Amino acid sequence: GAVVSQHPSWVICKSGTSVKIECRSLDFQATTMFWYRQFPKQSLMLMATSNEGSKATYEQGVEKDKFLINHASLTLSTLTVTSAHPEDSSFYICSARSGTGGYEQYFGPGTRLTVT
Amino acid sequence: QQQVKQSPQSLIVQKGGISIINCAYENTAFDYFPWYQQFPGKGPALLIAIRPDVSEKKEGRFTISFNKSAKQFSLHIMDSQPGDSATYFCAASGATNKLIFGTGTLLAVQP
Repeated sequence: GAVVSQHPSWVICKSGTSVKIECRSLDFQATTMFWYRQFPKQSLMLMATSNEGSKATYEQGVEKDKFLINHASLTLSTLTVTSAHPEDSSFYICSARSGTGGYEQYFGPGTRLTVT
Repeated sequence: QQQVKQSPQSLIVQKGGISIINCAYENTAFDYFPWYQQFPGKGPALLIAIRPDVSEKKEGRFTISFNKSAKQFSLHIMDSQPGDSATYFCAASGATNKLIFGTGTLLAVQP
């Protein structure tokens, strides 16, 4: 149980284009989903928190117009990196938290984004 | 006050030995302390977690020790195996449910 998937697992895009990453909770309903980015050999940095049906809350320093987050249903959240630049190249990971009151966050396998 | 400090940065342990990773926090409002294991190119996987109302929790070879007064918690991996070689992250969260991660420990278990 508690499986979170991400698609795609890796993507290469050209500078200036946009790319969408999907995060799905496969066997539970996720009232809250989180998006992180992780640079090589570094820790996870929280980018934003999204609750189903409401606007995402972004962490300080994260550009909300560049990283568009949509949590359209209890099992799906998407992150769109708009007008991507090489410095956006990173490992993007989502996590999901059940709405049943548990504290646990379950992480997806991550998406490797490379912007050329 | 939101930081979680983790040590050591890297650790080498012989097969069968005990791996110990330590974390410290400042925010007394934190009430959930998980440990995650991450293999290269993969997302973190929840290993074990503890709430501050207990001082120790054990699941298989993994044990969390929690010292509320010192604001410290640690992960002990008993009988460490080469398959345990990974990066381990401690984390903490409170009422916001946002996880604050430690800096990570790269564990290498030598056969």
